[in-house]
Amino acid sequence: KAGVTQTPRYLIKTRGQQVTLSCSPISGHRSVSWYQQTPGQGLQFLFEYFSETQRNKGNFPGRFSGRQFSNSRSEMNVSTLELGDSALYLCASSLFQEPSSYNSPLHFGNGTRLTVT
Amino acid sequence: AQTVTQSQPEMSVQEAETVTLSCTYDTSESDYYLFWYKQPPSRQMILVIRQEAYKQQNATENRFSVNFQKAAKSFSLKISDSQLGDAAMYFCAYKARDRDDKIIFGKGTRLHILP
Repeated sequence: KAGVTQTPRYLIKTRGQQVTLSCSPISGHRSVSWYQQTPGQGLQFLFEYFSETQRNKGNFPGRFSGRQFSNSRSEMNVSTLELGDSALYLCASSLFQEPSSYNSPLHFGNGTRLTVT
Repeated sequence: AQTVTQSQPEMSVQEAETVTLSCTYDTSESDYYLFWYKQPPSRQMILVIRQEAYKQQNATENRFSVNFQKAAKSFSLKISDSQLGDAAMYFCAYKARDRDDKIIFGKGTRLHILP
């Protein structure tokens, strides 16, 4: 079974631009979540989607948004990029079959390394 | 608010020795899950072990085991017979049982294995 696929792996953008990152979950996984990883802040939760609906959102400004498609693939978008948005963005999928899967392990992709100059 | 603290930013251990990574958390919930994830240089995070708070028995997975102290809100990871492939960043994580709660990660401990 193919793992979680994130594209692109590396991205360089300029301040003020916008960017879209893509995540394809493991087949059959309906929950997709996004995380920002930086050396200073560690791993921070961005948002989680299940069946095309945002279930949860972290403490990030509105410039960060996401969506999930009917095939469970997800995208996240960052508008008006700032230098501080430089980070590794990780996507994870999990098998979410209520109610016993609340502790379903997260399966992560390799991440997208975003550099804002 | 729930928090997860990993007080050791970096640790080193000799190959074949045993090492323990510390994690404490703060929560007012009684039912939750705890996890240890490993992130090798390839960047892909992998689940190492998980513990359900209502289970008193400590989880084990081959060379990896945890010491779960619910009253102390402590969840340490012990790696026995350390191998070079264990070198990675290790993240402790917490998730309340509430289906709408989000997972919270510690800031990680970078583990070096000395040959």
